[in-house]
Amino acid sequence: KNQVEQSPQSLIILEGKNCTLQCNYTVSPFSNLRWYKQDTGRGPVSLTIMTFSENTKSNGRYTATLDADTKQSSLHITASQLSDSASYICVVTRQAGTALIFGKGTTLSVSS
Amino acid sequence: EAQVTQNPRYLITVTGKKLTVTCSQNMNHEYMSWYRQDPGLGLRQIYYSMNVEVTDKGDVPEGYKVSRKEKRNFPLILESPSPNQTSLYFCASSLGRAGANVLTFGAGSRLTVL
Repeated sequence: KNQVEQSPQSLIILEGKNCTLQCNYTVSPFSNLRWYKQDTGRGPVSLTIMTFSENTKSNGRYTATLDADTKQSSLHITASQLSDSASYICVVTRQAGTALIFGKGTTLSVSS
Repeated sequence: EAQVTQNPRYLITVTGKKLTVTCSQNMNHEYMSWYRQDPGLGLRQIYYSMNVEVTDKGDVPEGYKVSRKEKRNFPLILESPSPNQTSLYFCASSLGRAGANVLTFGAGSRLTVL
């Protein structure tokens, strides 16, 4: 069954600290993996996209990694800010590109 | 500004009263899709459209209809809403196949069915 599992479900960290969010998937065949950020009450916004051959991709303080062999991805946030408080959603695309499998998201709260 | 516009943003209605949530994009995207988001369940796809007059069911299509008469518009129709359709709805679009391109989401429409 094609699934995307994210952990932890929620996370609270202090401003300035780093954190890592996890995404494990069983989607096959694999096409790409995206991380989206969703602020409360807003639509998700794409942070990164990674294909099979990519191991790491950065977008400012956000760094995503992908291990296609173990079917795991992580999103690392460096020097967190209050504005990083949001839900982070991992989305995996099956080959052929129309089937998107969404994770349930990790809710991150950054406190001062 | 490139965007996906949904209306209404908030709606409270009663069981059985037909309603339409509109979605319009100004990016000339071929692909458009509707999702619902419920606590603990994440985003689930309702319907999607690869181009004008081409629509297909997603994971949770029951109780919904869509149409794609024009490239820019993709309305979601609830013919006879029920309380289990109370949810946060998102329209999204992308250039070409959704998996190969970034999805641009609308701001969401929060629907309550009493």
